[in-house]
Amino acid sequence: QPVLTQSPSASASLGASVKLTCTLSSGHSSYAIAWHQQQPEKGPRYLMRVDSDGSHTKGDGIPDRFSGSSSGADRYLTISSLQSVDEADYYCQTWGTGIYVFGTGTKVTVL
Amino acid sequence: EVQLVESGGGLVQPGGSLRLSCAASGFTLSSYAMNWVRQTPGKGLEWVSVLSGGGGTTDYADSVKGRFTISRDNSKNTLYLQMNSLRAEDTAVYYCAKLDDYDYYFEYWGQGALVTVSS
Repeated sequence: QPVLTQSPSASASLGASVKLTCTLSSGHSSYAIAWHQQQPEKGPRYLMRVDSDGSHTKGDGIPDRFSGSSSGADRYLTISSLQSVDEADYYCQTWGTGIYVFGTGTKVTVL
Repeated sequence: EVQLVESGGGLVQPGGSLRLSCAASGFTLSSYAMNWVRQTPGKGLEWVSVLSGGGGTTDYADSVKGRFTISRDNSKNTLYLQMNSLRAEDTAVYYCAKLDDYDYYFEYWGQGALVTVSS
């Protein structure tokens, strides 16, 4: 089954950009993943799906500041023009036969 | 607009039972695969159970198999999770989540219901 690895934390200044990484385990580098945002005290919110070719499909109402990309086993989420509302936990998620797997999440701090 | 609203959380003693509900609006629940996902501070997000659209095939994480049962009431457009033989490690916020059309990713989430198992 796939395993997803994320860095525990990331930070950037207000108005800057931050790039988050989700790494797929060996043998699963062709898998697509989804990114979810969880603001404090709220349920998760689907942001986008990112495929192995770098194409991404966003959820309803997700701003253009959020984009996705890929390289090998790595799937990325880039947040541009950081705003205070972007301070949240970001989880990647993938799927296999009968299973759904989450990464451990990256906490983004806006300085 | 798709909305998912959980209810039924609370404090229960070890070995006890609890039933969570998830009221859906903006779509027909029986046409889509619906899930329960839980979140604990120590273990992050963990998929718990799925109920497929249409025929209603179910599946469970090994950690809850034999103790939890997922079901739905089509007339109420509501999803349920019956939790029996609860353990301290079941303490978590439980989210109801709708899968996308291809059953790949969680497209919509509820706000969560807190379940605390403690004596």
